[in-house]
Amino acid sequence: DAKTTQPTSMDCAEGRAANLPCNHSTISGNEYVYWYRQIHSQGPQYIIHGLKNNETNEMASLIITEDRKSSTLILPHATLRDTAVYYCIVRVANNNDMRFGAGTRLTVKP
Amino acid sequence: GAVVSQHPSWVICKSGTSVKIECRSLDFQATTMFWYRQFPKQSLMLMATSNEGSKATYEQGVEKDKFLINHASLTLSTLTVTSAHPEDSSFYICSASLTSGTYEQYFGPGTRLTVT
Repeated sequence: DAKTTQPTSMDCAEGRAANLPCNHSTISGNEYVYWYRQIHSQGPQYIIHGLKNNETNEMASLIITEDRKSSTLILPHATLRDTAVYYCIVRVANNNDMRFGAGTRLTVKP
Repeated sequence: GAVVSQHPSWVICKSGTSVKIECRSLDFQATTMFWYRQFPKQSLMLMATSNEGSKATYEQGVEKDKFLINHASLTLSTLTVTSAHPEDSSFYICSASLTSGTYEQYFGPGTRLTVT
């Protein structure tokens, strides 16, 4: 799997958009970008994934650059409950192997 | 989304005893499940891949005789920590993967193991 690089930590004001970047410069053509988050002492929660097009669901939006070497997860209106560690992972879709990096610790502040 | 459960959510055991953790996919069948371990302030580390009806595949450095994995059905995988020691105290998390479509993994809530 391609390696990802994320900032160690970020802060965001409640109600504002949280933009979490991820670099994956060695991503292969058949690798997807997945985002998960882990709230303290819970199992990771799936957020969104994409291949090359931007994606949006009820939780977040995923913006992938045209060269696919980086992406941004956007939480449009962050709440205190969005405080968590966010993991960006790249992998081939039908390869079940999923490995976590250090992630970004997002703290949403009132 | 798909739901994965784990039991127990936490367990305390004495050194030298064995502990079994169950992982169930509640609303879908999972031919493959995964076991992760997470130490405080660290990321998840994949321990093993559990395949229904066959032997698990362990990551390098994970002792297969210490961490016994059984995947007897399409909805249940178990992890048994044998002869547990204090250094085995950790947060154990399982996941199950959809085997079609988008293949995202769904994670259980985790089991906190404390060995005294």
